This record gives sequence, C-alpha cells and structure tokens, in this order.
Amino acid sequence: NAGVMQNPRHLVRRRGQEARLRCSPMKGHSHVYWYRQLPEEGLKFMVYLQKENIIDESGMPKERFSAEFPKEGPSILRIQQVVRGDSAAYFCASSASTGLNTGELFFGEGSRLTVL
Amino acid sequence: DAKTTQPTSMDCAEGRAANLPCNHSTISGNEYVYWYRQIHSQGPQYIIHGLKNNETNEMASLIITEDRKSSTLILPHATLRDTAVYYCIVRVTSKYGGATNKLIFGTGTLLAVQP
Repeated sequence: NAGVMQNPRHLVRRRGQEARLRCSPMKGHSHVYWYRQLPEEGLKFMVYLQKENIIDESGMPKERFSAEFPKEGPSILRIQQVVRGDSAAYFCASSASTGLNTGELFFGEGSRLTVL
Repeated sequence: DAKTTQPTSMDCAEGRAANLPCNHSTISGNEYVYWYRQIHSQGPQYIIHGLKNNETNEMASLIITEDRKSSTLILPHATLRDTAVYYCIVRVTSKYGGATNKLIFGTGTLLAVQP
C-alpha cells in the first residue's frame, strides 16, 4: 500500500522558469492538501483540493501559484515565473473521504525546489 | 481553530520517557488534540490524537487534562530516532474529510534525544 508519492523530490529552476510539482495521494484518498515550508520555518497551509475542485485556497499566494487535482492523475502544484523566495520544501498530504476519516493526514516526503 | 502553546525545545536522555506539554486553553468542546512530528527534512508524521480520554498507541500516549486546557504527549522510551519537531494541533474533525481537516502547524517543540 503505497503512501503519498511526490515527485520530483528535488527540482532546480532558474528565476523566471516554471516549476511543476506532482502529488499522488494514497489509494482511495480523494482529498489533497499542499503545504510549503520555507528554510528554517514552519509548515504553512496553501491549498486544499478534492477531485476537480479547489475547496480552500486561503494560503495560496495570489499570483504565480496554481493547483489542480484532475479526475485522472496526480495533483499538480504549479509555480510560474519562479523567484528565489519560492525556494522551499513543498509537502503534499492526503486524507480519506469516507465516513471513516479519523482526521489523519498522510504526508509525502516533499519536493524541494531550489531557485537559482 | 484553537491556538496552542508549546515549549520551543526540550532535551531527553535516550531510554527515558519524553514528556511534551501543550497548552490549549481556548479549545472548544468539539475540537480534537492531534500530535504530529517532523523528523529533519521528512514529511510530517501522525502520532496520536484524542478528544477527552487518554489515548495510547504503539508510538506514544496522550494525556489530556480533565478541563481539556492542556495535554501531554509521552514517548515512553525515547530513542535517538525520536529527535524531531513535535507539533500539537487542535481542530474540529469531520469524518468525511474536507477543509475542516486541514492542519494549521505552529512552531512546535524541538525534542533532542541525547545519547
């Protein structure tokens, strides 16, 4: 039973390029949460998605950042025109959608973005 | 969601019990107490959660005071691999998942287990 899978684990981009981070939730999970962790800082909630819907994007920067969770395939966090301040670890978590949800979020190992 | 207060850091000797406190004096009646930890550079890991009764699993025990204003996470026999940042989070929980189940992380407690 594979856990939450994130790729790439490490990504290097130059300023102005685009970064795409992918997250495959645990089998049977249809809820995905994205978090960002800047160097030496805590985890900050970015966005919560269900299949094909963004439900809560209260933590997403207003510009350059977008997220999707299509009917088929992984969730994608997209950062356009990256800047050095985007360098961080991006974590994805998933949770179950059935009535058996205990509130536990399962996290992936993260994708580390470095902007040169 | 209620705010939590944790010490910034703690030390514990290997093999001894680690007791990590958390204050949540504004917790609501329907809010659960969750504990997660983050070992350096890894994704956060769920440890345990509870509403008002004490809870125990293979990783830890959670002791919640009767008034629910504070709790303690107990690692009974700490090992070097338990060195991590421990987060205490309180929130409502929907058994159907959803936005209410998002976790808002504070600064946590850095537990350093010493050999």
